[in-house]
Amino acid sequence: GAGVSQSPSNKVTEKGKDVELRCDPISGHTALYWYRQSLGQGLEFLIYFQGNSAPDKSGLPSDRFSAERTGGSVSTLTIQRTQQEDSAVYLCASSYGETQYFGPGTRLLVL
Amino acid sequence: TQLLEQSPQFLSIQEGENLTVYCNSSSVFSSLQWYRQEPGEGPVLLVTVVTGGEVKKLKRLTFQFGDARKDSSLHITAAQPGDTGLYLCAGLARSSASKIIFGSGTRLSIRP
Repeated sequence: GAGVSQSPSNKVTEKGKDVELRCDPISGHTALYWYRQSLGQGLEFLIYFQGNSAPDKSGLPSDRFSAERTGGSVSTLTIQRTQQEDSAVYLCASSYGETQYFGPGTRLLVL
Repeated sequence: TQLLEQSPQFLSIQEGENLTVYCNSSSVFSSLQWYRQEPGEGPVLLVTVVTGGEVKKLKRLTFQFGDARKDSSLHITAAQPGDTGLYLCAGLARSSASKIIFGSGTRLSIRP
């Protein structure tokens, strides 16, 4: 069906609050990635899910960041006690092979 | 830590000129991809190169994978304003199952 979708598209929050970002991958894609992108910069890998395997969490910057993928489909990235340096675009991508298909991203601003 | 370094970081040229963007690493990759990202959108895949020395052409864009599979280049002939965007290279490391590493990006601006 449709491509990768992410919600919300924009999120403004206050420092110290928790936020949840959602990603709906393309149906049938077994792999799901989360990246963080600061203004105009490259992509910083955060976490990778592949099927039923244990996720690769090696890119998560601190224990305030966590992600889960329920039923091998939808994924939620949670940031607890947000800090101003968490402000960025959070991109989700899904793939079945080597080609990643990206969602439009969630723009997070922590005030 | 595997790193992909792109150069230049920023490039602003006149319409009709040619340009080359480079992506370099000390690591060997089983394949390398190039993406273009426009403001407010996610990156979109342009090409994947998998064989050392491989050259692929996409209209005015020519992509090359280095013989040692550690580097790649993107050459644009007769650049158009529509080529403006952020160009990202991404490598799939041999040692990491399906974990793709992105370069820092090259922001390209084509002036009419």
